[in-house]
Amino acid sequence: GNSVTQMEGPVTLSEEAFLTINCTYTATGYPSLFWYVQYPGEGLQLLLKATKADDKGSNKGFEATYRKETTSFHLEKGSVQVSDSAVYFCALSPRDDKIIFGKGTRLHILP
Amino acid sequence: NAGVTQTPKFRVLKTGQSMTLLCAQDMNHEYMYWYRQDPGMGLRLIHYSVGEGTTAKGEVPDGYNVSRLKKQNFLLGLESAAPSQTSVYFCASSSSSGGASDTQYFGPGTRLTVL
Repeated sequence: GNSVTQMEGPVTLSEEAFLTINCTYTATGYPSLFWYVQYPGEGLQLLLKATKADDKGSNKGFEATYRKETTSFHLEKGSVQVSDSAVYFCALSPRDDKIIFGKGTRLHILP
Repeated sequence: NAGVTQTPKFRVLKTGQSMTLLCAQDMNHEYMYWYRQDPGMGLRLIHYSVGEGTTAKGEVPDGYNVSRLKKQNFLLGLESAAPSQTSVYFCASSSSSGGASDTQYFGPGTRLTVL
C-alpha cells in the first residue's frame, strides 16, 4: 500500500542553521509528492510539490527533490528563520487515490 | 475570495451532546474532506465527498456523519459526543483527487473539547 514516513520531531535549530527534514514513501505507480506547512493556530497550507522523478519543488527558500531511486522527498532550507517555526507534513498523492499525509515534524527555531 | 472557512472556531460540549461543524468553500471545488488532528497522530481522514450529494467514509468515520447538500458546503455532525472526539477538526477542499492536481486547501480548524 501507499504510505509516508517522516522524521519525528521536535527538531530544534538556531536561526541561520541548515535544515533537513527527512521523508520517505512507499507507493505503487508514480505519485505526486508534497510538503505542507502548518503555522501555529492555522490550517495546513501547501509549501511545495513535485510531480515526477527528479523534479525539484521550491518555495520560500525551501527545496525538495523527488528521488525515485531512494523513494525520498527530503525538505531542505539553507538558513532557517524564527518565522519558519511550524509543523511540516510530507504527503503523497497517488494518481488514482486520495492524498496520504505523514504524521508531521514540529520545527522550533531559536533566535 | 475567502477560500475555506469553518464554523465555529471553538466549542466545548458535554458528553452526549450533539453538534454540527460547517465548512464552506468558494473555489468551486468538487472534493471536500474532514480530518481530525491529534497529538502524535498527524491528520486522519474522517469522511470525504467527491461531489454534491455524495459522501464516503475515510479512515476514522465512527461517531460522525456528514452531508453535502450544496457543492460549497460540507457538514460534519456528532450525534452523541464522547471525550475521545476531543480534537482539532480541519476541513479541506480540492479540485480533483489524485496526482499533481490534488492540492488541498485547508480551513483554519475547529478546536472541540468534549467534557
